[in-house]
Amino acid sequence: AQKVTQAQTEISVVEKEDVTLDCVYETRDTTYYLFWYKQPPSGELVFLIRRNSFDEQNEISGRYSWNFQKSTSSFNFTITASQVVDSAVYFCALEPRSTDKLIFGTGTRLQVFP
Amino acid sequence: EAGVAQSPRYKIIEKRQSVAFWCNPISGHATLYWYQQILGQGPKLLIQFQNNGVVDDSQLPKDRFSAERLKGVDSTLKIQPAKLEDSAVYLCASSLSRDRGANEKLFFGSGTQLSVL
Repeated sequence: AQKVTQAQTEISVVEKEDVTLDCVYETRDTTYYLFWYKQPPSGELVFLIRRNSFDEQNEISGRYSWNFQKSTSSFNFTITASQVVDSAVYFCALEPRSTDKLIFGTGTRLQVFP
Repeated sequence: EAGVAQSPRYKIIEKRQSVAFWCNPISGHATLYWYQQILGQGPKLLIQFQNNGVVDDSQLPKDRFSAERLKGVDSTLKIQPAKLEDSAVYLCASSLSRDRGANEKLFFGSGTQLSVL
C-alpha cells in the first residue's frame, strides 16, 4: 500500500509553545519524495518542504524543522515558538517515483492561541 | 508573480444540476492538475494535464466529470450531473514541468468550494 497517516486530527497550543506534527508513510518504492504543505484559511496549499528518500539529513528553516527517519517511516514537522499565524491545516504528502502522484494524508489542524 | 487563479470561489447548486470551474495556471507552467478535497480529507488527484494533453485521469469519475485544457493554458472542470457526494473544494495546481524528480513543486490556487444540496 502507498499511504500517508497523520494520526493527529487537531492540535491546540498557546503561543510560544513548540509543537510537533507527526507523519507516517508507507510505500513499496525505494525512491520517493516527501512533502509538507500548509493550508491556511484562505484555502491554497503552500509548499513548505520536499525531501527525497535518499536524504535523511534533518532540515531547519527558521522556526520550522523536519525530522526524516526511514527506519520508522516517519517525517515529522516541528514548529518552535509557535505563533498565531501558524494556525492552519498541515498536510504531509508522499510521491512514489513509480507513480509521480502526490498522496496526501488527512491533515492536522493546528490552532495557536494568543 | 501571479499565482494560480481559480473561479468561482464558491458555488451552490442542487443535485443533478451541472457546474463548471475555471483555472488559469501560473504563466509558463506546462503541467496542470485538478484535485478534489472533501471536508476532513487530503486532496485527491482527479486529472493531470501536460500542456493540452491528459497525462492521468485514472481517478476522474468519467461518467459525470470532464475536464479540458484546449490551448494548453487555462482549464475547465465540469460536473454533469452533480451528486451530493461531489460537495468538496476543487483545487487547481500547476508546475513548470511534469518531472517532479527535478525538484519541481506544485503551486495551488485557493480552490472552488462546491456545495451540492
